[in-house]
Amino acid sequence: ELKVEQNPLFLSMQEGKNYTIYCNYSTTSDRLYWYRQDPGKSLESLFVLLSNGAVKQEGRLMASLDTKARLSTLHITAAVHDLSATYFCAVGDYTGTASKLTFGTGTRLQVTL
Amino acid sequence: DGGITQSPKYLFRKEGQNVTLSCEQNLNHDAMYWYRQDPGQGLRLIYYSQIVNDFQKGDIAEGYSVSREKKESFPLTVTSAQKNPTAFYLCASKRTGGASYNEQFFGPGTRLTVL
Repeated sequence: ELKVEQNPLFLSMQEGKNYTIYCNYSTTSDRLYWYRQDPGKSLESLFVLLSNGAVKQEGRLMASLDTKARLSTLHITAAVHDLSATYFCAVGDYTGTASKLTFGTGTRLQVTL
Repeated sequence: DGGITQSPKYLFRKEGQNVTLSCEQNLNHDAMYWYRQDPGQGLRLIYYSQIVNDFQKGDIAEGYSVSREKKESFPLTVTSAQKNPTAFYLCASKRTGGASYNEQFFGPGTRLTVL
């Protein structure tokens, strides 16, 4: 059974600081997704990482994937208040022709002034 | 505009009642999914469907039922057998043709509360 763990679960950081969120998963997969969720809202797709060594960047967020270590990171550079949200990683799980995602528990990011 | 709609936004259920949550998409996606989210938790998969007239149980299917009679629609019924249904329910869809890595896109969600 695929398990996905994120840490930290909660992160409070000051504006302007850098930090990294970690996503570990238990079985082989070469597809990893990052989503953002604002309070009371739905999920918004941030990044799709498809292969070992993949790196994607959008603004102050950069995501990477190491399939050998079964680890993805989401790095936040010079945080701003607008980045406050919950961030989820999700790992692609393929059985036969079925394709589904297993989500981590999420990291709630709070950026303070 | 293409997208996924869910209705209602808020739903209140009395104990012992069945309720149905609607999910419609006009993205021409083949696969559709239902997730449950509890406060402060991640998403857990209830049911999913890769094609019309076919669906599979996810990790927490007990007390729920679905149908997939049309490509655009994937309604979820929360039955009285679901003992703790209060949660935020999210529907998602995904294109299956072409690249297999296509990400899932999510609807706005339905918040269900048992009175």
